[in-house]
Amino acid sequence: DARVTQTPRHKVTEMGQEVTMRCQPILGHNTVFWYRQTMMQGLELLAYFRNRAPLDDSGMPKDRFSAEMPDATLATLKIQPSEPRDSAVYFCASGTGQRNTGELFFGEGSRLTVL
Amino acid sequence: RKEVEQDPGPFNVPEGATVAFNCTYSNSASQSFFWYRQDCRKEPKLLMSVYSSGNEDGRFTAQLNRASQYISLLIRDSKLSDSATYLCVVADYQLIWGAGTKLIIKP
Repeated sequence: DARVTQTPRHKVTEMGQEVTMRCQPILGHNTVFWYRQTMMQGLELLAYFRNRAPLDDSGMPKDRFSAEMPDATLATLKIQPSEPRDSAVYFCASGTGQRNTGELFFGEGSRLTVL
Repeated sequence: RKEVEQDPGPFNVPEGATVAFNCTYSNSASQSFFWYRQDCRKEPKLLMSVYSSGNEDGRFTAQLNRASQYISLLIRDSKLSDSATYLCVVADYQLIWGAGTKLIIKP
């Protein structure tokens, strides 16, 4: 079964540390999304890539977050320095169409706790 | 007003009952609509798309009301395994996610 793979599944770190999350989208998918989910905010879009090009990162705090796709099989989301308010589940999702095509395939998420 | 609004619930429903919940959206130009299901501590998964004419998939029926700007999800003969959070997604030039409606099916 083709699926989106995310690592790490869980991460506990201390405030100020760098955190890098990785995502392998489904082979052949040309859109990749990074979402953050908390109990209070629901799903928030952090970044969106199409054909590896970043098209929207307006939802991402630029001072500490960065997202890249070094190649078609890898997307990364980096937080430096991390803060307790960054604690959340970070989902990567990939899809085949335009950004308004609703069928996205999600990874299992990276659960981040910043102490 | 939020762009996409859902009643957070929880909806506590006995097994076998029918349950329905709505999702309202603010952008009348929205083009596509979807329902996702998210189990506790899991990732969201697409449940069904919502077409203008409505659509049905087994016990699940999705409807779109453009005039009143809402979509609905109806679950018939509910099962314990239907317990989850149901997220609606509205698309114009981007995907807008609702915060979800929590459904608990009780034996």
